[in-house]
Amino acid sequence: AQKITQTQPGMFVQEKEAVTLDCTYDTSDQSYGLFWYKQPSSGEMIFLIYQGSYDEQNATEGRYSLNFQKARKSANLVISASQLGDSAMYFCAMREGRYTGNQFYFGTGTSLTVIP
Amino acid sequence: DTGVSQNPRHKITKRGQNVTFRCDPISEHNRLYWYRQTLGQGPEFLTYFQNEAQLEKSRLLSDRFSAERPKGSFSTLEIQRTEQGDSAMYLCASNLGETQYFGPGTRLLVL
Repeated sequence: AQKITQTQPGMFVQEKEAVTLDCTYDTSDQSYGLFWYKQPSSGEMIFLIYQGSYDEQNATEGRYSLNFQKARKSANLVISASQLGDSAMYFCAMREGRYTGNQFYFGTGTSLTVIP
Repeated sequence: DTGVSQNPRHKITKRGQNVTFRCDPISEHNRLYWYRQTLGQGPEFLTYFQNEAQLEKSRLLSDRFSAERPKGSFSTLEIQRTEQGDSAMYLCASNLGETQYFGPGTRLLVL
């Protein structure tokens, strides 16, 4: 079974609107971390936001927020007030277990296009 | 620049040749990871170092692949007898705490 599932291969959003990118995960560990990365066409993976499995509040970083629904095993990324520079691939990732050195599992990504 | 750096950024080689990539992590980070990313996919884990010790290797890492981190600082990833299926982006990441920070990657094309 896939550890991370991103079901939206491509998404479009009007500039200045909000958009939600979906991510579901599969783990039997009680302790894990969830991450979102942005990958522009240049190829570099840019860290956006992190949510720990024991964090009770949804993580926020500027225009990014993570809608964490533990029972549903979902960790959707919400981007508010979209900008043209937000056009990129977005990857959801998970680290299983308590050890922060564990490898990350990535989804297949969602391509976001912001329309002027 | 205090981020993760990788060299070269691009490499074109002929099938059967050996290639070596270098990764310089963020200086205080003791953990270093290699991932491979093919078109339309997310990064896939290859191997991981804590300081100079290679602690984990993926099944993806065939015996043609070898990675080192001799002094616990920079790391090298060597692919011997390259095959066309090795064409991919090779990403390096490092961390100290929760988050892995990635380098710009090395894009390999095997002709």
